[in-house]
Amino acid sequence: GAGVSQSPSNKVTEKGKDVELRCDPISGHTALYWYRQSLGQGLEFLIYFQGNSAPDKSGLPSDRFSAERTGGSVSTLTIQRTQQEDSAVYLCASSLDIGRQPQHFGDGTRLSIL
Amino acid sequence: AQTVTQSQPEMSVQEAETVTLSCTYDTSESDYYLFWYKQPPSRQMILVIRQEAYKQQNATENRFSVNFQKAAKSFSLKISDSQLGDAAMYFCAYSSLTGTASKLTFGTGTRLQVTL
Repeated sequence: GAGVSQSPSNKVTEKGKDVELRCDPISGHTALYWYRQSLGQGLEFLIYFQGNSAPDKSGLPSDRFSAERTGGSVSTLTIQRTQQEDSAVYLCASSLDIGRQPQHFGDGTRLSIL
Repeated sequence: AQTVTQSQPEMSVQEAETVTLSCTYDTSESDYYLFWYKQPPSRQMILVIRQEAYKQQNATENRFSVNFQKAAKSFSLKISDSQLGDAAMYFCAYSSLTGTASKLTFGTGTRLQVTL
């Protein structure tokens, strides 16, 4: 596609439920990144993929968070047993490759945990 | 670990005037990238300008320019001839070029208001 696409745009769910957030990167981009933006704060890095592998998962806040990428394209971020502190905007970005290539962001998914 | 600091939570500028947003960072690396991203209410992060640390010349993109002071670890953004459409959150970000790490480390942002 022309840009990074994320779905859903907004998600409201009850505490304790599992959620899946989807990211469709720009065609041909091998690197994919997930970030979280909590209210009034900057973005924090969660995880990135180079192809289908995730060399750096250091930003995942707990073992309730996981992510996968298949076919070198679409990625899914899964949050199990959601908590209220998981409420945030989750942003995905992709780049042609890691290193010197700029990252292009999607519009994000706003996740609200009731 | 690298850190990025934006000390101005909010700034205001009149249309057609010039404004400078501040950013400082901390790193022990010698080669890296610095970025300014703009985030309007639509939430999408839009790349405004980027600077590679080994290049001494300050980057410029139309009305946007940076003042990169490597020794001082300072990276400010100057917006000239401000327009209403420039109103947004602006984030300064750092990217390491060491090894395979290319994640972005962001500051907390500066909200820019543009007034008539």
